[in-house]
Amino acid sequence: LAKTTQPISMDSYEGQEVNITCSHNNIATNDYITWYQQFPSQGPRFIIQGYKTKVTNEVASLFIPADRKSSTLSLPRVSLSDTAVYYCLGANAGNMLTFGGGTRLMVKP
Amino acid sequence: GAGVSQTPSNKVTEKGKYVELRCDPISGHTALYWYRQSLGQGPEFLIYFQGTGAADDSGLPNDRFFAVRPEGSVSTLKIQRTERGDSAMYLCASSSPLAGGEQFFGPGTRLTVL
Repeated sequence: LAKTTQPISMDSYEGQEVNITCSHNNIATNDYITWYQQFPSQGPRFIIQGYKTKVTNEVASLFIPADRKSSTLSLPRVSLSDTAVYYCLGANAGNMLTFGGGTRLMVKP
Repeated sequence: GAGVSQTPSNKVTEKGKYVELRCDPISGHTALYWYRQSLGQGPEFLIYFQGTGAADDSGLPNDRFFAVRPEGSVSTLKIQRTERGDSAMYLCASSSPLAGGEQFFGPGTRLTVL
């Protein structure tokens, strides 16, 4: 299974753009790079998913280089409510998810 | 529409007791997953159902853990002879290939074994 490596924690301030980079050197060819967000005492919530290049939705952007060995989640103009743990993982529809330790993002006023 | 629900939200039990945790997936989702999450760590896979059958139970830590999904909808995770090390958040997720395969998680059941 692909192992992912991401920063344990990050701090930011309201209104800033936050970029969280994840390394996944051994991601499977048929896996999508997927990011989940988790608030305390809640289950993880899907944020965004991509295979190559760039994907953007109403919440975030995901940048994936051609070699797919890393990816960067970009959160524009974060607010206090974006304080959460963010998980990067390789995922294939129908298969179980393998979570790492995630990145704890703290947004300060 | 309704999301994944789990009951109870909290369960406190004594070492050696038997517990059942329930998961109601999103209606129509054929796949159902159980995960366990310890404090400060990411969720760990336990078991995956496709319909009524367990397609992958490789994550169950030992034979004290068992899960069923008899009608392909609601699932129950059963833990026998609970141990203090079983204390964790137990998460359930469901997915459907018709909905992109994304897994939708419930709020979890916090199990505490005294």
